[in-house]
Amino acid sequence: EVQLVESGGGLVQPGGSLRLSCVVSGFTFSSPWMNWVRQGPDKGLEWVATINQDGSQKSYVDSVKGRFTISRDNAKNSLYLQMNSLRVEDTAVYYCARDNYYSFDYWGLGTLVTVSS
Amino acid sequence: DVVMTQSPLSLPVTLGQPASISCRSSRSLVRSDGNTYLTWFQQRPGQPPRRLIYKVSNRDSGVPDRFSGSGSGTDFTLKISRVEADDVGVYYCMQGTHWPPYTFGQGTKLEIK
Repeated sequence: EVQLVESGGGLVQPGGSLRLSCVVSGFTFSSPWMNWVRQGPDKGLEWVATINQDGSQKSYVDSVKGRFTISRDNAKNSLYLQMNSLRVEDTAVYYCARDNYYSFDYWGLGTLVTVSS
Repeated sequence: DVVMTQSPLSLPVTLGQPASISCRSSRSLVRSDGNTYLTWFQQRPGQPPRRLIYKVSNRDSGVPDRFSGSGSGTDFTLKISRVEADDVGVYYCMQGTHWPPYTFGQGTKLEIK
């Protein structure tokens, strides 16, 4: 059974940092591209970042470029999102999702990040 | 960036009746490889999104055949042949053809009348 489990969310002040993790099981983690997608409170879905199989290719939505870094450790079946210089508008549930056919076929339950003073 | 526009944004439906959601993109979603990377997701209350349909019309495993996707170019449709109570939630379309970025529609909230 495919499982993706996010962690690392919490309450942080504007300007602060958080590191999100996503541990996966049930498939060969080193094979697919992986993504982070977020959903603000009572808002729609927004793609955040993508990373390829070996971490050599990364893409970000413009609003997080220079502040967020996506990475992965294939030996630990883990995906990460380092978030720096956090803003109130980064408040959201952050999901990790597996890439499949330029789409996302499996999602985790999400981890809530709240940026507030 | 490709803008995805869904309609309606709210969809009240009687149980057992059909439902249809439209998704339009600001440019053609046909990729250079000939495929069209248009996806539909369902998000039930309090749950993460679940993929229903990929590449316009391919149903994911376990998705009831009441759900179907169609369309081409810039116009796409998700149809539910007979709405059940379990279908309540928000439905999103997403394009992957012109990533980055992947872009989503605003979401359509389906409720039971």
